[in-house]
Amino acid sequence: GENVEQHPSTLSVQEGDSAVIKCTYSDSASNYFPWYKQELGKRPQLIIDIRSNVGEKKDQRIAVTLNKTAKHFSLHITETQPEDSAVYFCAATPYSSASKIIFGSGTRLSIRP
Amino acid sequence: DAGITQSPRYKITETGRQVTLMCHQTWSHSYMFWYRQDLGHGLRLIYYSAAADITDKGEVPDGYVVSRSKTENFPLTLESATRSQTSVYFCASSRTVYNEQFFGPGTRLTVL
Repeated sequence: GENVEQHPSTLSVQEGDSAVIKCTYSDSASNYFPWYKQELGKRPQLIIDIRSNVGEKKDQRIAVTLNKTAKHFSLHITETQPEDSAVYFCAATPYSSASKIIFGSGTRLSIRP
Repeated sequence: DAGITQSPRYKITETGRQVTLMCHQTWSHSYMFWYRQDLGHGLRLIYYSAAADITDKGEVPDGYVVSRSKTENFPLTLESATRSQTSVYFCASSRTVYNEQFFGPGTRLTVL
């Protein structure tokens, strides 16, 4: 069935270093892949998304890459800062049911000073 | 994001009681969603709606009922609350399924 797996579940990096979060999806027809950030006690908010006709997208210190052949996509955060500490969720839109998206289980990112 | 609101923000109820969580959005978005968030489980989809009068089950629909008579409202009802339904509930809306979902502030529900 439709599934999105996300790794790692927790990640701790030194401030200034890079962080990478990876997700795999099961539905090869999926074509929309958003990433959401949820700070402690707040609602999830979209930080970046990518569509299946694009291999990479960047927005300042954040980038997402997509490998459709391998059915995986990754979030890259460079020059991490304390405000990057949050839970990050990947998601995918399964073509088999184009009215919803499937979320990964989340990655708790901690930035060490 | 004043465009999507949830009420109440906090609710304590007892096992067996009926509870309705409200969600209202002002963007006229076609799509609306209900998620529950528990520690260790991320965001789990309960129900979703592609338009008024069109709803469908998500990953964890048992014990919940939804309706959508108007585009802007998407209430979620727990028919007979159980302790396992203690959670934070988020409502979200989007223009299409391929656009950003805007989340409400959440409702923290405790079932005693």
